Amino acid sequence: DQQVKQNSPSLSVQEGRISILNCDYTNSMFDYFLWYKKYPAEGPTFLISISSIKDKNEDGRFTVFLNKSAKHLSLHIVPSQPGDSAVYFCAASGGTLGFGNEKLTFGTGTRLTIIP
Amino acid sequence: SQTIHQWPATLVQPVGSPLSLECTVEGTSNPNLYWYRQAAGRGLQLLFYSIGIDQISSEVPQNLSASRPQDRQFILSSKKLLLSDSGFYLCAWSRVYGYTFGSGTRLTVV
Repeated sequence: DQQVKQNSPSLSVQEGRISILNCDYTNSMFDYFLWYKKYPAEGPTFLISISSIKDKNEDGRFTVFLNKSAKHLSLHIVPSQPGDSAVYFCAASGGTLGFGNEKLTFGTGTRLTIIP
Repeated sequence: SQTIHQWPATLVQPVGSPLSLECTVEGTSNPNLYWYRQAAGRGLQLLFYSIGIDQISSEVPQNLSASRPQDRQFILSSKKLLLSDSGFYLCAWSRVYGYTFGSGTRLTVV
């Protein structure tokens, strides 16, 4: 059962334009969401996160939007740059107190390609 | 500062051979430690997590095992590798929200 879903395995965007990556989740107990960026043959690196008490979090060119009623979040990258080409993973945590709060469930990833 | 080391970077092993991947963390104490696998065309699947020495939880039944003999050392093992064990293995640590991942090990079972 895939609790975190990224339905677009790949996305191509022109340099300078906006990249929008989408993520859907099914577990209503999730209360914290993160985006990770991964280059080939490297470990994922943290990009941006959002708590369920917010609906938007912005950090430079990156903005994450959360729609709790739709169980949907998205990552916006504006403007897109060639160095943004990577695989992006959506992740979620929450549920029981204690350790369960820290365990992350990852989506399947979206490969973003920025076209110069 | 905290760092996480994972080795080897790549590994090619024959079917039926044993496996040992090691992960160590520096600059923190009592971290939560994780092993993830990214199989071809799939997301990051949590294999094992540990909240302390000799405290290991398995997320999925499989051919692999994990051990934590020291606070900042996490080992992924197998007695006999299967072809399906091929993938990209990632170690990670956390204290509160958010993980720091190691650089990964590309395992190819032939």
